[in-house]
Amino acid sequence: GQNIDQPTEMTATEGAIVQINCTYQTSGFNGLFWYQQHAGEAPTFLSYNVLDGLEEKGRFSSFLSRSKGYSYLLLKELQMKDSASYLCAVRELGGSYIPTFGRGTSLIVHP
Amino acid sequence: SAVISQKPSRDICQRGTSLTIQCQVDSQVTMMFWYRQQPGQSLTLIATANQGSEATYESGFVIDKFPISRPNLTFSTLTVSNMSPEDSSIYLCSVGIRRSSYEQYFGPGTRLTVT
Repeated sequence: GQNIDQPTEMTATEGAIVQINCTYQTSGFNGLFWYQQHAGEAPTFLSYNVLDGLEEKGRFSSFLSRSKGYSYLLLKELQMKDSASYLCAVRELGGSYIPTFGRGTSLIVHP
Repeated sequence: SAVISQKPSRDICQRGTSLTIQCQVDSQVTMMFWYRQQPGQSLTLIATANQGSEATYESGFVIDKFPISRPNLTFSTLTVSNMSPEDSSIYLCSVGIRRSSYEQYFGPGTRLTVT
């Protein structure tokens, strides 16, 4: 199984940049996901990394280092609406198609 | 993409009773899943709902407690049986369009409170 670790809570200022880290341990890595979940709503897909490097998508970027078991989600030009929980999820080779989710990082953006 | 609806959106139930949650998808999907998300916790997979056969349960979850039906490729139900306060949680339906697709779509969730 996987052991996924991410900070419980982070705060940042509107307009700033924030980096949310995720570390994991797995016996056979097969992809890492980031989801955004606003309070009381369903998670929505943000990004997927399976190879090392940075994937950029608008204000959001996701980075992966498989050798270090490490990923981060980078949010630029923060907006108040970015206040949400950000879930890191890791999928293993073989077995289930389904990733295991971390506990999530609650991001609070203040003016 | 897929649009997923769940019913009910929330409910308050008494200890010892059962609640059935419905999940409807606007298109045929290969894979449907049920998750639980307890307050302050992450998403925990309960089971994979298989069309035409018994659901596949994750460790710690059993069919007697969480019976699941999937009569077709667009619909599934999850029943929470003989409820206790520990079952208070948000229950989410999720789908994968294709096995080769890495993206999951989630329903809005059902917020269950057991008193």
